[in-house]
Amino acid sequence: GENVEQHPSTLSVQEGDSAVIKCTYSDSASNYFPWYKQELGKRPQLIIDIRSNVGEKKDQRIAVTLNKTAKHFSLHITETQPEDSAVYFCAAPSAAGNKLTFGGGTRVLVKP
Amino acid sequence: GAVVSQHPSRVICKSGTSVKIECRSLDFQATTMFWYRQFPKQSLMLMATSNEGSKATYEQGVEKDKFLINHASLTLSTLTVTSAHPEDSSFYICSAFRTGGVDTEAFFGQGTRLTVV
Repeated sequence: GENVEQHPSTLSVQEGDSAVIKCTYSDSASNYFPWYKQELGKRPQLIIDIRSNVGEKKDQRIAVTLNKTAKHFSLHITETQPEDSAVYFCAAPSAAGNKLTFGGGTRVLVKP
Repeated sequence: GAVVSQHPSRVICKSGTSVKIECRSLDFQATTMFWYRQFPKQSLMLMATSNEGSKATYEQGVEKDKFLINHASLTLSTLTVTSAHPEDSSFYICSAFRTGGVDTEAFFGQGTRLTVV
């Protein structure tokens, strides 16, 4: 099955700096890579996603890059703000396309 | 956007009792729903896939007789934790894909924090 690894597990940045989270996946047939943000005690929410036919996607301060050859994708948050503090999860679908596998999560702390 | 509603949001039960958690898709039909368990400071771990009108598919290591799943309609899946023990205390969360495909946005319920005492 799909194996998704995420690094780092924790990330502390100063407000205004950038944050980068990286994920690798094992199934080369995967074609959809979402990123979710989860605040404490709440449900995960989709913040950005990318499909395998593009290498980069940007939405304001958030961007995702995908390298299919290397089987890794990254989340970039620029000009971080305290409200960006949360846990971020990457995910990838299984080869059979019947379920989503999540990375281990990255706890991001933006210090004012 | 699509809404998935989960109840209850929080429950405390005594060891040995059973707890039922409901997951509803409010504005779309979901032939498949997913149940996850999340321990503190850990990721979402898929427990089982709930299939409308048929048996659920359980992930390796998940006891199907302990975690009973029923998906009786296109908008409702239930997870029953039977004979709960303190180690079952966790955050349980369901999800569904509006279009049915895992290559689209997954919508999550609010989650249920279960505490077994």
